[in-house]
This record gives sequence, structure tokens and C-alpha cells, in this order.
Amino acid sequence: QVQLQESGPGLVKPSETLSLTCTVSGGSISNNYWSWIRQSPGKGLEWIGYIYFTGTTNYNPSLKSRVSISVDTSNNQFSLKLTSMTAADTAVYFCARGGGWWGSWGQGTLVTVSS
Amino acid sequence: QSALTQPASVSGSPGQSITISCTGTSSDVGAYDYVSWYQQHPGKAPKLVIYDVTNRPSGVSNRFSGSKSGNTASLTISGLQAEDEADYYCTSYTSSNTYVFGIGTKVTVL
Repeated sequence: QVQLQESGPGLVKPSETLSLTCTVSGGSISNNYWSWIRQSPGKGLEWIGYIYFTGTTNYNPSLKSRVSISVDTSNNQFSLKLTSMTAADTAVYFCARGGGWWGSWGQGTLVTVSS
Repeated sequence: QSALTQPASVSGSPGQSITISCTGTSSDVGAYDYVSWYQQHPGKAPKLVIYDVTNRPSGVSNRFSGSKSGNTASLTISGLQAEDEADYYCTSYTSSNTYVFGIGTKVTVL
């Protein structure tokens, strides 16, 4: 049973870059798609994007200019970078296995944008 | 990309069946059989209950079933139980090679 765990800062200043890492355990990161999804407080879910283990990516057009997802197969991790953070980016960020449906999720990490 | 439309809330008594609708367009729900459904309890990560419109992952109760007609997908929960009280989200692949979520439905067990 694969497990995912997000890690990164819980507080980011406006205009700064968010960097989150998802560590995959109990299985290999190879031969799978891996995604980031977020949920603003009290709101619904928003797909951010996915990466295939080979490095191929696909991003939400509304975030495409600010988002980057990378993979580190040697450490069984994948990462999210989101630049120019604003209060609107305050959310719980989830990492998940899959590209189009997501069968395994991390517990989520709350990221607050505030000075 | 507009969010898929779901009813804000649906309720039912224990043992009853309820259906949650998820309405999109001919560019997403209507075009592909790539609709999935997620159950989310407060403070928890979402849990996949249906994928590819009708498929149920291993370990998910057979009380959950999915279907689609035209631009609308549906999730039916039969034999409603107290543990089914949660938020439910649909998602669909789109013609833009992206994914869009529904706005979410709160299910209340009376």
C-alpha cells in the first residue's frame, strides 16, 4: 500500500515561491503519474497538475505560468514549486498518485500566505 | 475552465438511496468516460470511490455506484449509512487535456 507524505513550509510571504515535496513510500515512483491538488479553506478541490516518472508534465492552465512539478526518482519524491504567491493561494496542498484519477493521497499540508 | 455543477447538498435517511449529479459540458463529462468521484470527511484527504464513470476501486463498498448520461454523471449511494455523511466531489477529463472538479456536495444522513 503506497503512502504519500507532503513536506514544506506552512507559511509563505506574498510574492515568494512555495516549494513542497511529496515522499512516496511502500512503492516505487516509477511507472506512475503523480499529482498535486489543492483545496482553499472551506472550498472545493483544484487540480494543479501532474508529472509522469519520466518527467513529462501537465498543468492547470490557470496556474501554468507560475507552477513547476519535478520528480526525483532516486529519492522516490516529487515536488511542487509555485511562484508569486498571493493570499488566494492559501490552501491545503495534497499530493496524490495518478494522473486522471487519484487512488492514494497524502494527508495534505496547509500553506498560508501572509506577511 | 468552469467547475462542474453539483447540488450543494443532498440528504437521506439511513437505508435509503441518494443520487448526486455532476453536470458538465460536451467538452468534458459528455465527451469522455473519465469521470471519478471522491468522498471527503472533515479534515481528511479525499478518498476515491468511483473512477472511469462506473468502476469501483478495491475495498470500496458496493453501495457506491456511478453512471453517466450525456453531459451529466451521477453517483448513487444505496443503503445510506451514517458513515456516508461527507462531502463528495466529481472530476472529469476535459478536451483541453486538463482536469476539472465539481463544486462539491454535502451529504447529510438524517
